[in-house]
Amino acid sequence: RKEVEQDPGPFNVPEGATVAFNCTYSNSASQSFFWYRQDCRKEPKLLMSVYSSGNEDGRFTAQLNRASQYISLLIRDSKLSDSATYLCVVNMGAGGYQKVTFGTGTKLQVIP
Amino acid sequence: DAGVIQSPRHEVTEMGQEVTLRCKPISGHDYLFWYRQTMMRGLELLIYFNNNVPIDDSGMPEDRFSAKMPNASFSTLKIQPSEPRDSAVYFCASSRGQETQYFGPGTRLLVL
Repeated sequence: RKEVEQDPGPFNVPEGATVAFNCTYSNSASQSFFWYRQDCRKEPKLLMSVYSSGNEDGRFTAQLNRASQYISLLIRDSKLSDSATYLCVVNMGAGGYQKVTFGTGTKLQVIP
Repeated sequence: DAGVIQSPRHEVTEMGQEVTLRCKPISGHDYLFWYRQTMMRGLELLIYFNNNVPIDDSGMPEDRFSAKMPNASFSTLKIQPSEPRDSAVYFCASSRGQETQYFGPGTRLLVL
């Protein structure tokens, strides 16, 4: 089983739609979680951190479910500019030691 | 404020040649990471440094790969000799502690 797994997509959705991505991780001792966004031929950039209580940033909501070992990203009212690959990131390190694993990404295409 | 700087941005070389990739992290960041990204394997962590000291190099594919960080503002990733299967995008990233990792623009390497 991969340490971090994502559905590669692509997810093709119309503008204005709501879309959700899930990501599962294998190590129950994982400490911190993130969603990064990567545009075509660009570097990954942090979209948002994921907290146990869930967090929201505008149209984006991230959730963490430790019991089932998955994190999710919900995008409401999709915009054309949301088209990108979304990478799930899990850090299994602690106390200064970092063991960061990226998922292979879920590709989102928002269609006019 | 300058972000992570990588050079060269593109490199085309022939099999067997030595390749050196360079990275300047964000000033004040104490962690530096080298990643490789391919379509098949996604984003893989190769090695990371904390305060210029290599902490985890378990992702380095083989002895042909080496990385150094002689000071807080400079790191190199060297491949000697290079092979066609090394063709990928190589990213450098830096962070302050376990906070957000900031990625450089990447070096696109093609080994013929």
